[in-house]
Formats: sequence, structure tokens, C-alpha cells
Amino acid sequence: DVKVTQSSRYLVKRTGEKVFLECVQDMDHENMFWYRQDPGLGLRLIYFSYDVKMKEKGDIPEGYSVSREKKERFSLILESASTNQTSMYLCASKGGLRYGYTFGSGTRLTVV
Amino acid sequence: SQQGEEDPQALSIQEGENATMNCSYKTSINNLQWYRQNSGRGLVHLILIRSNEREKHSGRLRVTLDTSKKSSSLLITASRAADTASYFCATAHGNTGKLIFGQGTTLQVKP
Repeated sequence: DVKVTQSSRYLVKRTGEKVFLECVQDMDHENMFWYRQDPGLGLRLIYFSYDVKMKEKGDIPEGYSVSREKKERFSLILESASTNQTSMYLCASKGGLRYGYTFGSGTRLTVV
Repeated sequence: SQQGEEDPQALSIQEGENATMNCSYKTSINNLQWYRQNSGRGLVHLILIRSNEREKHSGRLRVTLDTSKKSSSLLITASRAADTASYFCATAHGNTGKLIFGQGTTLQVKP
């Protein structure tokens, strides 16, 4: 089975800190995604990547950046964390067009 | 932008009953997928139906797709308490593999 591993389940950071959320998948998938999930707003796409060093903005990229130096790892970076970035962050990877996403367990980030 | 909209937002049934959730979307799709999310966890892929398919089965799950009405339904038959979760539809567009998720239906199955 494909595994997508997010490095932290819970994280508490201070306003203004630079925050790194790490995601690793073990099935050589080309496509990887970062979403945030908020009550009443559902899942919203932040960034995605379809190859190493390639990235595309999703629907809400402001305040975030990403890094994909290796195929298996897709990092989400909060340049200067703010309280409105308190959320559940979900990473996913995907194989071919016929397949769905495989999600990690999520990181619940609280910015204080 | 959110495309898929699920209906109802919440559903409560007794174990053994069937549960039906609906999803509507606005623009043309490559495929439509359903996911389940247990509280506080990541999403789990349940089933994918392509735009040229009308119905698909997987165990106790049955998914239909009506592209003329831009809608899909997920039926869970003979529900169990373990089916208690949130269920999301998601639509795939273009060739990037990007999915747009609805806001989900929360299903409670009472033992």
C-alpha cells in the first residue's frame, strides 16, 4: 500500500515563525498536493507539484510556499505564520489518472 | 474554488439501514471520486468513477454518475457503526490530477 507520511500530527507555533510541514510518499508518485481543511470551508488546495522542482499554485497560495527537491518529499512552508493559518493541513500523492489520492494523516497546526 | 456540493450536510441512521449521499458539481469533469474521513484523520479514497461511466460498485458501496445533471450519489448499503465518518466527493479536471472537494456529508450510524 502507498504510504504518505506527514512528520507531525500536532504542531504549535508562534506568530511570525517560519514553519515547515513535511510530507513523504513511498510509491514514486509524480503528483503531490497540499490542502488545508477548515470547518465550513472544506478542503482547499494550497499548492501542488507534478514533478521534482515543479510547483503550481492552488486556490489559496498566499502566505505559503513549497519545495520539492526530491520526488518523494513535498514540503509546505509558512513563511511567517499567522493565526489565520491555524488549520488542519493534509498532504496527498497520486499515481496515474485512474487512481485516487492517498492522503497522509494530517497535521493540526495551531498558531498562537 | 469549491465545486462539489454534498447533500445532505448531515445524516443520522440506524445500523442496517442504507445511506445515500448526493453530490453536485458545476463544470465538466474527467472523473469523480468519493472519500471518507474519520474524525481528525486524513481522507481515504473509496471509489473513482470516470465521466463515461454511469455506475460503479465496490463492496457495499454503489456510486452513480449523471453527467447531464452534473450529479453523483454514493449509496452505502447495510450500514455499520464503523461507517460513521464524513464523506466527500471530489471532481477531477484537466490533466493535472487536481481535485476539487465538496464540503462533505457527516454520517452517523447508530448501533
